[in-house]
Amino acid sequence: ETGVTQTPRHLVMGMTNKKSLKCEQHLGHNAMYWYKQSAKKPLELMFVYSLEERVENNSVPSRFSPECPNSSHLFLHLHTLQPEDSALYLCASSQDYGAGAPYEQYFGPGTRLTVT
Amino acid sequence: AQSVTQLDSHVSVSEGTPVLLRCNYSSSYSPSLFWYVQHPNKGLQLLLKYTSAATLVKGINGFEAEFKKSETSFHLTKPSAHMSDAAEYFCVVSDRRGKLIFGQGTELSVKP
Repeated sequence: ETGVTQTPRHLVMGMTNKKSLKCEQHLGHNAMYWYKQSAKKPLELMFVYSLEERVENNSVPSRFSPECPNSSHLFLHLHTLQPEDSALYLCASSQDYGAGAPYEQYFGPGTRLTVT
Repeated sequence: AQSVTQLDSHVSVSEGTPVLLRCNYSSSYSPSLFWYVQHPNKGLQLLLKYTSAATLVKGINGFEAEFKKSETSFHLTKPSAHMSDAAEYFCVVSDRRGKLIFGQGTELSVKP
């Protein structure tokens, strides 16, 4: 596997379900990101992790809970979502974050989430 | 604060004709700018980036962009469109920490 992978690619969940999105990067990067891409809206940055520490949280509701157990893996835990949370969720990684920026971000293919 | 504005939400060209996707930026300091492309059901791929070196930046697949400070523009061009160029294109500015701010996107259609 190369680059940034995301699983699952598609997910349908009810509002009372709990699910998790997984992202893995094989690039040796130190920073990882979650973005939300909704129709007709610009990409929204949700979270940034640098060296497994959360460094940015863009006012994301608590029903989205990120986890970064190591620099290669990033999870987004979902619970009691709303229909308006239906979107494409993209994971990205970059060499670093912060000093020395900008760094190219490499994106995964995304998880298409539908909340029913 | 930084921002980017993509001036066209949709551009349609014929195969073999030039492509122009327009982007204006706003930045309180010398910006770092990027163009990303997203094909259907795929993640975003970096086309090219400007980081205060040469103002004419060459990217992959024959695309290039020119940084014009006087016009606060960073338009993306390609001399001859190919069917495989049909996709959504995003103009992006980075802040000093590396946070990317995306434009609304321009959907490029290529007619045979």
